[in-house]
Amino acid sequence: AQSVTQLGSHVSVSEGALVLLRCNYSSSVPPYLFWYVQYPNQGLQLLLKYTSAATLVKGINGFEAEFKKSETSFHLTKPSAHMSDAAEYFCAVSLNTGNQFYFGTGTSLTVIP
Amino acid sequence: GAGVSQTPSNKVTEKGKYVELRCDPISGHTALYWYRQSLGQGPEFLIYFQGTGAADDSGLPNDRFFAVRPEGSVSTLKIQRTERGDSAVYLCASSRDGGLVANEQFFGPGTRLTVL
Repeated sequence: AQSVTQLGSHVSVSEGALVLLRCNYSSSVPPYLFWYVQYPNQGLQLLLKYTSAATLVKGINGFEAEFKKSETSFHLTKPSAHMSDAAEYFCAVSLNTGNQFYFGTGTSLTVIP
Repeated sequence: GAGVSQTPSNKVTEKGKYVELRCDPISGHTALYWYRQSLGQGPEFLIYFQGTGAADDSGLPNDRFFAVRPEGSVSTLKIQRTERGDSAVYLCASSRDGGLVANEQFFGPGTRLTVL
């Protein structure tokens, strides 16, 4: 079975500080990994995705994530947090033999001015 | 262009009633997905359509849940004999082609269903 674990349901950072949101996956085959962001009352929006081309993936709004097979991780980072980054972040995994996404439980990011 | 739209945005119903939730995908997208998001949880897969047919309905929790996509565009998720445990946000997503590996899914804003 495939699963995604997001450590920390709530993360608070100061404006300008490093953002680190953790995601670990379990998969019996090499997965495809995604980070989505959900702003209040809006749909999920893709931040970035890993599809085995490069282990360091750059996304929108200055976010990036690194795929580490040895650690089965795909942590999301941003060097400097902005107030506008406050949102719910979801990590998801998809397999090459299926099309459904398996989502983590989400991490709520708060940015403190 | 227009994104994925879902109607209604909110639905309140009584236990035992029947409800229909509608999803209008991005024009030209052949793949359509339904997810359910309970409070404090990530979206949980329900069903996936490729064109008019359900390619994978393994996520439907029981036979009270059913979904259709008769013309390969708009989809309706139908829930019979609703229960309080069905209360959640129901998300719809579409993608260009479900057969493409790791194809991005575009999500609608969801329908918040409350069963009293």
